Amino acid sequence: QKEVEQNSGPLSVPEGAIASLNCTYSDRGSQSFFWYRQYSGKSPELIMFIYSNGDKEDGRFTAQLNKASQYVSLLIRDSQPSDSATYLCAVNWGGGADGLTFGKGTHLIIQP
Amino acid sequence: DTEVTQTPKHLVMGMTNKKSLKCEQHMGHRAMYWYKQKAKKPPELMFVYSYEKLSINESVPSRFSPECPNSSLLNLHLHALQPEDSALYLCASSQVLRPPGYTFGSGTRLTVV
Repeated sequence: QKEVEQNSGPLSVPEGAIASLNCTYSDRGSQSFFWYRQYSGKSPELIMFIYSNGDKEDGRFTAQLNKASQYVSLLIRDSQPSDSATYLCAVNWGGGADGLTFGKGTHLIIQP
Repeated sequence: DTEVTQTPKHLVMGMTNKKSLKCEQHMGHRAMYWYKQKAKKPPELMFVYSYEKLSINESVPSRFSPECPNSSLLNLHLHALQPEDSALYLCASSQVLRPPGYTFGSGTRLTVV
């Protein structure tokens, strides 16, 4: 059974600080990794994807991938109250159209 | 157009009813998906269509019947559902090869009474 693990939180971070979200996955051969943000009652919204080892930056967001450790993380710099949401880590095992397996999500709370 | 459109947004149905959920995208994506999401749980994959052919069925009960009439449309036909099938049903689409993301629709909130 291929699994994606996340700490469900809640993770509480002061406004303006860096929020660090972590995710591990079970299949070493996994191809693609995604971070989605989901507000209560809404659908998931793609924040970032990453395929290769290392860091990928987009604005206030940085995704980090370490395939040897089977670990992917998301850093949010200068956290804002509007960043308060559930963050879902998702893995596409085969690299094609075989869907995503999601972690349970981390509930992030940014304290003003 | 960068959206996936789902209708209806809300649906209440009885256990003996037949209803359908609809999903449409015009991004040229050739892979489309149905997910089910229960409250405070992550989305769970139900079906995958690739080039209009069913490629993955995650052992979903037969009371859920997917259909992909063309490359832009995806339907989910519902029949004889149970109250435990009440959930948010999400449609998504993507490129087939190394998709740089899966675009989700806003979902259909289904309540079975």
